[in-house]
Amino acid sequence: QKEVEQDPGPLSVPEGAIVSLNCTYSNSAFQYFMWYRQYSRKGPELLMYTYSSGNKEDGRFTAQVDKSSKYISLFIRDSQPSDSATYLCAMEGSNYKLTFGKGTLLTVNP
Amino acid sequence: NAGVTQTPKFQVLKTGQSMTLQCAQDMNHNSMYWYRQDPGMGLRLIYYSASEGTTDKGEVPNGYNVSRLNKREFSLRLESAAPSQTSVYFCASAALRTGELFFGEGSRLTVL
Repeated sequence: QKEVEQDPGPLSVPEGAIVSLNCTYSNSAFQYFMWYRQYSRKGPELLMYTYSSGNKEDGRFTAQVDKSSKYISLFIRDSQPSDSATYLCAMEGSNYKLTFGKGTLLTVNP
Repeated sequence: NAGVTQTPKFQVLKTGQSMTLQCAQDMNHNSMYWYRQDPGMGLRLIYYSASEGTTDKGEVPNGYNVSRLNKREFSLRLESAAPSQTSVYFCASAALRTGELFFGEGSRLTVL
């Protein structure tokens, strides 16, 4: 079993839809959880960063962590065509190295 | 403010040739990283440098060497390129914890 599992999609939604992106993990040592966004032919950029279980909101984006189930989610409300990108979950344990999911390709159609 | 700068952006090599990918950051970050990104494989860590003067292997170090030249610069060298090293390479840096990585725009390498 891989340490981090992420459905690669692709996911296609209409503008205005609520998008749910998910990752599961197996390593209990992971303490920090992140979502990165990567536009085509660009480097990833940090979108959300969470530590504890629960929800963290930033504008239209909500990151959710459930450590007991080893499950993290990113919700995008009122999705926009500019949200079309690949979304990568990432997790960090005690060794200061990130483990990335494979990424989910999202397309938001006008 | 350039952030993380990688050169070259594109490169085509023949099998067996060598080359060095250069990376520089202007954010005074301590840690620097090299990743490769392949379709269906996600981002995989090749090497990292937690601070100036130290380097450590990541998940896929075979066939690569690195040099942390100073606090700003971290280079990745392919001594004898193989087709399996065809990939997009990303350099990244971080101030403290690795969670907030700042990535360069990537270097697309093709080995024929």
